[in-house]
Amino acid sequence: EAGVAQSPRYKIIEKRQSVAFWCNPISGHATLYWYQQILGQGPKLLIQFQNNGVVDDSQLPKDRFSAERLKGVDSTLKIQPAKLEDSAVYLCASSLDVLLGDRGQETQYFGPGTRLLVL
Amino acid sequence: GQNIDQPTEMTATEGAIVQINCTYQTSGFNGLFWYQQHAGEAPTFLSYNVLDGLEEKGRFSSFLSRSKGYSYLLLKELQMKDSASYLCAVRPSYSGAGSYQLTFGKGTKLSVIP
Repeated sequence: EAGVAQSPRYKIIEKRQSVAFWCNPISGHATLYWYQQILGQGPKLLIQFQNNGVVDDSQLPKDRFSAERLKGVDSTLKIQPAKLEDSAVYLCASSLDVLLGDRGQETQYFGPGTRLLVL
Repeated sequence: GQNIDQPTEMTATEGAIVQINCTYQTSGFNGLFWYQQHAGEAPTFLSYNVLDGLEEKGRFSSFLSRSKGYSYLLLKELQMKDSASYLCAVRPSYSGAGSYQLTFGKGTKLSVIP
């Protein structure tokens, strides 16, 4: 089974520039998450989708961050304009549909991440 | 609110046993996860506890005490490849959409030395 795919793996931009990240979840996984992981810290949830709908975006800095999952499969996360403090690894994760999957576990599977450096 | 604490760093010797502790104070509880994260890589799932007690999986075991808000990950017969960060994550009580979110601790960086 193919895992969660993300691209690009690395990105270096200057502050105030824009950047976009792409994620393709595991086939059949309806729930998709974007996390931000700053060096030395655990992942912090930015946004959660179920199919093509947003479940929770309460921690997404909406003045500069946006995300979409138009067809309920792959997703993009955009930052515009970027700030120095956005330097982090952006992780995408997916899990089985909350209604059909094993409610006891609902393990999240992570992609390799995109390492962003804002100069 | 959610608060998850774990030690920042630990060092242990190859072949030994190490215990990584995690304490949590969360608004509701519906499971605790441990993930392993090698430097520059994505977190990978190690274990899951929702009931009190010990879950064993090969060299790795995880323990949970819900009344104490406490868990530990036990790694036996340490190998050099076990050098990684270990993330404790808590899932709040199930209440519909969004309930499968995880809140992560900052991670414990384990260094295994010869």
